Amino acid sequence: EAGVVQSPRYKIIEKKQPVAFWCNPISGHNTLYWYLQNLGQGPELLIRYENEEAVDDSQLPKDRFSAERLKGVDSTLKIQPAELGDSAVYLCASSLGGAGGELFFGEGSRLTVL
Amino acid sequence: QQQVKQSPQSLIVQKGGISIINCAYENTAFDYFPWYQQFPGKGPALLIAIRPDVSEKKEGRFTISFNKSAKQFSLHIMDSQPGDSATYFCAASREYGNKLVFGAGTILRVKS
Repeated sequence: EAGVVQSPRYKIIEKKQPVAFWCNPISGHNTLYWYLQNLGQGPELLIRYENEEAVDDSQLPKDRFSAERLKGVDSTLKIQPAELGDSAVYLCASSLGGAGGELFFGEGSRLTVL
Repeated sequence: QQQVKQSPQSLIVQKGGISIINCAYENTAFDYFPWYQQFPGKGPALLIAIRPDVSEKKEGRFTISFNKSAKQFSLHIMDSQPGDSATYFCAASREYGNKLVFGAGTILRVKS
């Protein structure tokens, strides 16, 4: 069974440029998460989806970050414009819906903003 | 506010030794305490998890000890192997997995 797939794995951009990350969760997983992992730190939740609905986006910096999960499967996380401090790994995870449970993480997208 | 405090930041253990990583939490509403293992360039993967109704859970060489009154839990890796070298994160959440709050991580190196 395929795991959580993320792309691109690596992205280098100039500050003020836009960037987008894509995530394909495990088939059948209704809950999808985007986490931010800074170097040497644990993951921090940005947004959680239950199917198409963003049920927790309280930690998403909405002035520059946006996310969508059309049709309740794949998801895209966008940053526009990117700032130097956005350099980090963006992790996508999925789990079976309802009361949560084990999170399955993708390998992450590493963003470097110059 | 750091809701889950993890220590030590790094740990070096000899092959065959016991690795111990500790975590403390603040929110008494937390009811799910997993440990995740992360290798370089990979995402975290669930290692073992515990609910507060038990004080200990063992899976192979990995054991979680849980102290509800002290709001602390720890991971013990018995007979540590070089392949265990990774970063370990404790985490906690309410509602069984939703909105996991992670500790800062412990880099474990097992010397052969």
